[in-house]
Amino acid sequence: AQSVSQHNHHVILSEAASLELGCNYSYGGTVNLFWYVQYPGQHLQLLLKYFSGDPLVKGIKGFEAEFIKSKFSFNLRKPSVQWSDTAEYFCAVILYNQGGKLIFGQGTELSVKP
Amino acid sequence: EAQVTQNPRYLITVTGKKLTVTCSQNMNHEYMSWYRQDPGLGLRQIYYSMNVEVTDKGDVPEGYKVSRKEKRNFPLILESPSPNQTSLYFCASSLSGGNEQFFGPGTRLTVL
Repeated sequence: AQSVSQHNHHVILSEAASLELGCNYSYGGTVNLFWYVQYPGQHLQLLLKYFSGDPLVKGIKGFEAEFIKSKFSFNLRKPSVQWSDTAEYFCAVILYNQGGKLIFGQGTELSVKP
Repeated sequence: EAQVTQNPRYLITVTGKKLTVTCSQNMNHEYMSWYRQDPGLGLRQIYYSMNVEVTDKGDVPEGYKVSRKEKRNFPLILESPSPNQTSLYFCASSLSGGNEQFFGPGTRLTVL
């Protein structure tokens, strides 16, 4: 079965540290890839997305992600985190030829210490 | 304002008492979907709809029903709720099946 794996359940960083959150998916076909963020008590918001083209995509709030097709990965990065980045982050994959089926990873909770 | 709305936002009910959670979007989106969010499991898709009168099962459809009689609305129906359906539910919509989804504010359901 298709799945999305996020490597870290909970990450704790100090402000200004660099961030990398891993995401791998298991599906051999064409995919659209997303990272969503959920701030405490809020709904999910889109951080960035990859459909095609340049595998390095930039999103809001200084986040970026790199799609590496050979590794089935779509890791999220930010050079310098802020306390306001404290949130839960979800990687998600849409299976292109399975209509709108969207599969989420388990989520990574990021805590940034001021 | 473009948005997805859900009602109610919070609901406490008892086992077996039928309930409906409404979802509405004002963006003329074709695609709508329901998810449940549980700790450690992320979001799991319950049902989705590619367009009016077209619905399909997601990963965890058991115990749920949906209908899509008009484009803007996609209610989630629990005919006989059970405690294992206690969860946080999100509705989402997108222009079409492969695009980014816009999420509603969530409905926290507790089934006693």
